[in-house]
Amino acid sequence: GENVEQHPSTLSVQEGDSAVIKCTYSDSASNYFPWYKQELGKRPQLIIDIRSNVGEKKDQRIAVTLNKTAKHFSLHITETQPEDSAVYFCAATPGDYGQNFVFGPGTRLSVLP
Amino acid sequence: NAGVTQTPKFRILKIGQSMTLQCAQDMNHNYMYWYRQDPGMGLKLIYYSVGAGITDKGEVPNGYNVSRSTTEDFPLRLELAAPSQTSVYFCATGPGNTEAFFGQGTRLTVV
Repeated sequence: GENVEQHPSTLSVQEGDSAVIKCTYSDSASNYFPWYKQELGKRPQLIIDIRSNVGEKKDQRIAVTLNKTAKHFSLHITETQPEDSAVYFCAATPGDYGQNFVFGPGTRLSVLP
Repeated sequence: NAGVTQTPKFRILKIGQSMTLQCAQDMNHNYMYWYRQDPGMGLKLIYYSVGAGITDKGEVPNGYNVSRSTTEDFPLRLELAAPSQTSVYFCATGPGNTEAFFGQGTRLTVV
């Protein structure tokens, strides 16, 4: 089955700096890659996603890049703000599991003022 | 439009007890999922459903059961609760292969 790895597990940046989180996946049939943000004690919420026919997608300060050949994708956050502090999860949807999501273990991002 | 509603929000169970976690959605999505999230960890798929009457196992189904008699409801049943089932349980729904919408979660402690 699909396996998703995520690095780093924790990341601290200064306010205004950029943050990059990387994920790798194992199933070449996976075709949809969402990123979720989870604030403490709250539910995961989608922040950006990318499909396998696209290499990059941007939404204001957030961007995601996908390298299908290498089977990895990354989340880029620019001009970080304290409210970006949260746990970020990447996920992949494999061909089996009926289009379900296999999540990475998460990255705890801390933006220091 | 409530989205995804989970009840209860918190529950303490004794070892060997049983309970049902409720999940209801008003988004008319076919797909529904149950995930568990252990402290400091990611989300593990327990069971999922692609429509009423159809359910299937995820990564960690042991100790759980589900049913899907309607599009809206997807209850998760715990039989013979064990301490290893202490976790936060999230129900989610979606149209499939796109954004999943999560409920607020149920925090379960088994003592």
